Amino acid sequence: AQSVAQPEDQVNVAEGNPLTVKCTYSVSGNPYLFWYVQYPNRGLQFLLKYITGDNLVKGSYGFEAEFNKSQTSFHLKKPSALVSDSALYFCAVREPGGGADGLTFGKGTHLIIQP
Amino acid sequence: DTAVSQTPKYLVTQMGNDKSIKCEQNLGHDTMYWYKQDSKKFLKIMFSYNNKELIINETVPNRFSPKSPDKAHLNLHINSLELGDSAVYFCASSHGTANQPQHFGDGTRLSIL
Repeated sequence: AQSVAQPEDQVNVAEGNPLTVKCTYSVSGNPYLFWYVQYPNRGLQFLLKYITGDNLVKGSYGFEAEFNKSQTSFHLKKPSALVSDSALYFCAVREPGGGADGLTFGKGTHLIIQP
Repeated sequence: DTAVSQTPKYLVTQMGNDKSIKCEQNLGHDTMYWYKQDSKKFLKIMFSYNNKELIINETVPNRFSPKSPDKAHLNLHINSLELGDSAVYFCASSHGTANQPQHFGDGTRLSIL
């Protein structure tokens, strides 16, 4: 069975500093990996995905993530944090043969950017 | 224009009642989903459905049933509501292949009195 771990409940970063939100996964075979962001009282918004190819993927709002197969990780990063980046971030995984299966999400990490 | 829309946004009702939540997507996607987000923000897939198959998470009680009148709609019916059903329910849609991102509605907050 596939699973995702987000080891940090909360990450605090000063505005302008780089940020990292951690994610590790467990899946049989090659994974499809996703990051989503949720603002209060809103649905999830897609940020970026890794399917195959270059290990560094770039997404919306200046975010990027690095796929590391040996460490089974897919950490979310941004070079310079904005206060508006404060939100709940979810990492998710899906197996290639998943077809119509839903995503398996991590428990989420609250990102707080301090002015 | 909202891509995935759910109604109602809020639903407050009593234990034992039957209720429905509607979901519509205008993205031309062929697969739709229902997720449950609990009070700790944990998200779990309940159903996924396209015109070929319905996949049910085995942990979902049979009081919950999805109904799809057409490819653009996937409604969620809940019978005999229980206190533990209180949560936020999200509808989502995507193209049916596993490497495509899902697009989410803004959720329906269900509160059982």
